[in-house]
Amino acid sequence: QQQVKQSPQSLIVQKGGIPIINCAYENTAFDYFPWYQQFPGKGPALLIAIRPDVSEKKEGRFTISFNKSAKQFSLHIMDSQPGDSATYFCAALNAGNNRKLIWGLGTSLGVNP
Amino acid sequence: DAGITQSPRYKITETGRQVTLMCHQTWSHSYMFWYRQDLGHGLRLIYYSAAADITDKGEVPDGYVVSRSKTENFPLTLESATRSQTSVYFCASSVDTSYEQYFGPGTRLTVT
Repeated sequence: QQQVKQSPQSLIVQKGGIPIINCAYENTAFDYFPWYQQFPGKGPALLIAIRPDVSEKKEGRFTISFNKSAKQFSLHIMDSQPGDSATYFCAALNAGNNRKLIWGLGTSLGVNP
Repeated sequence: DAGITQSPRYKITETGRQVTLMCHQTWSHSYMFWYRQDLGHGLRLIYYSAAADITDKGEVPDGYVVSRSKTENFPLTLESATRSQTSVYFCASSVDTSYEQYFGPGTRLTVT
């Protein structure tokens, strides 16, 4: 069973738009929630991560919003650019479980010029 | 600074053959991981290692074998390749003090 559910599967926005990707989890023991970005032909790379003790974290144009009670977290990309076109993965980890990240299935984002 | 490398980058093999995918990292990271990436399935953990000589199964270990005699190397062997093992394989590493995983460029494996 999928422990981290990611939506939407794909998303297209215009340049300057604010795409939002959502993830939901079930396991309340998760205590680390990263987002990874993957370009075609490359391995994923960490974009931004959050712990459950904060509700929001910003790094440049990327923001994670975290809702512990709803067991949901989302990625917002401000002023999106064509170079942001990539696949985005959310993940979750229980620090007491040997670094095993549980991954969402990914969202393919296209940003039109 | 090479970071984390994988070889070969592309491999075509026949059903039943043994094939080994190599992963090498220059950072002396303790943790190393093997994933496979398939459309519709995202990233699935095959095996991981917390240190040299310490390995453990992930979500989809069947048909795969790993070893880690040296910290920097983490080879993945398909003992008898099957078509269902056609995939893109990623190796990753992580330092003790952070949960961030650094991924290699991947190996695209086709089993005919």
